[in-house]
Amino acid sequence: NAGVMQNPRHLVRRRGQEARLRCSPMKGHSHVYWYRQLPEEGLKFMVYLQKENIIDESGMPKERFSAEFPKEGPSILRIQQVVRGDSAAYFCASSPGSGRAHEQFFGPGTRLTVL
Amino acid sequence: AQKITQTQPGMFVQEKEAVTLDCTYDTSDQSYGLFWYKQPSSGEMIFLIYQGSYDEQNATEGRYSLNFQKARKSANLVISASQLGDSAMYFCAMRVSGNQFYFGTGTSLTVIP
Repeated sequence: NAGVMQNPRHLVRRRGQEARLRCSPMKGHSHVYWYRQLPEEGLKFMVYLQKENIIDESGMPKERFSAEFPKEGPSILRIQQVVRGDSAAYFCASSPGSGRAHEQFFGPGTRLTVL
Repeated sequence: AQKITQTQPGMFVQEKEAVTLDCTYDTSDQSYGLFWYKQPSSGEMIFLIYQGSYDEQNATEGRYSLNFQKARKSANLVISASQLGDSAMYFCAMRVSGNQFYFGTGTSLTVIP
């Protein structure tokens, strides 16, 4: 059973470009979470999605950031017009949403560098 | 407000010794879960141990145990018989209603041979 997959693992963008981060949850998991980790800090919650629905986006910046989890395919975190402050590791986690929903399984992360 | 506090930025432990990593939390929710994750230098987040707020016994997973003191709102991680491979960042996290996780700032553990 494959774990949570994220790609790319490393992404370099110039200021003003768009960054698109992908997350494929574990098989059977319908709940996806995105977190951001700045250097020397813990993970900060960004958004929680279920298939085709955003459940909680309270941690997402109001501008330039968006997330989706379509019926088919991976969850996408999109950052438009990136700035240097967006440089961070972005982690995706998934949970089955029931039973052991209390545990979140993390992907390996995408490290975004904005030049 | 929900908050997780880890007050030890860095810790050192001799190989084969036990070490305790501190974690305190703050929440008004009655039902919550407490987690510890390990983040080695490679960057992935590895789940270690879970404690539910209604669990009466402290959680244990192999060499990891969680010292849960509900009245003090603490959930310290104890690693017994430290190994060199235990050197990593350790994060305490809390889940409350809504499934969102709140993470502490982490403790960097170095195991000395």
